[in-house]
Amino acid sequence: KAGVTQTPRYLIKTRGQQVTLSCSPISGHRSVSWYQQTPGQGLQFLFEYFSETQRNKGNFPGRFSGRQFSNSRSEMNVSTLELGDSALYLCASSPQPSNQPQHFGDGTRLSIL
Amino acid sequence: DQQVKQNSPSLSVQEGRISILNCDYTNSMFDYFLWYKKYPAEGPTFLISISSIKDKNEDGRFTVFLNKSAKHLSLHIVPSQPGDSAVYFCAASDPGGGADGLTFGKGTHLIIQP
Repeated sequence: KAGVTQTPRYLIKTRGQQVTLSCSPISGHRSVSWYQQTPGQGLQFLFEYFSETQRNKGNFPGRFSGRQFSNSRSEMNVSTLELGDSALYLCASSPQPSNQPQHFGDGTRLSIL
Repeated sequence: DQQVKQNSPSLSVQEGRISILNCDYTNSMFDYFLWYKKYPAEGPTFLISISSIKDKNEDGRFTVFLNKSAKHLSLHIVPSQPGDSAVYFCAASDPGGGADGLTFGKGTHLIIQP
């Protein structure tokens, strides 16, 4: 059974640009969550999607947004990139929103120059 | 305010001995706890979990203990093996099944020495 797939694995952008990251959950999983991992803050919850609807959102500015498609695949978008957005962005999936554990992909490493 | 704390950034243990990783939490609403293991350049991998109605859960070499009154949990790995060298994250969720996502500690880097 294929795991959570995130693309691209690495990305380099400059300040002010925008970026879109993609996540394909485990087959049959309908809940997708996004996390940001930085050395200083650790893993922080960004948002969760289920049935194409955002269920919850963490404490991040509106520049961070996402969506989910009918096949449960999800994308997250960051606009007007800042140096502080450099991080590992992780996607996790589970069958339902209340199901634990969540299963993580290998992440997208975003570097802002 | 950090709701899940792993106070040891790193831990070095000899191969074959017991590794004990600790985690403290402040939010008494947390009712489900998980441990994840992370290798460099990979995503976190689920290891073991425990519900707040239990005080112990075992899976092979891994045992998690929960002390609700102290708001403390620990992960025991015995015997420790070289492949256990990784960063271990403690995580917690609330009764809504993680309505605010999983809350993670900042991790403990476990180093198993031969």
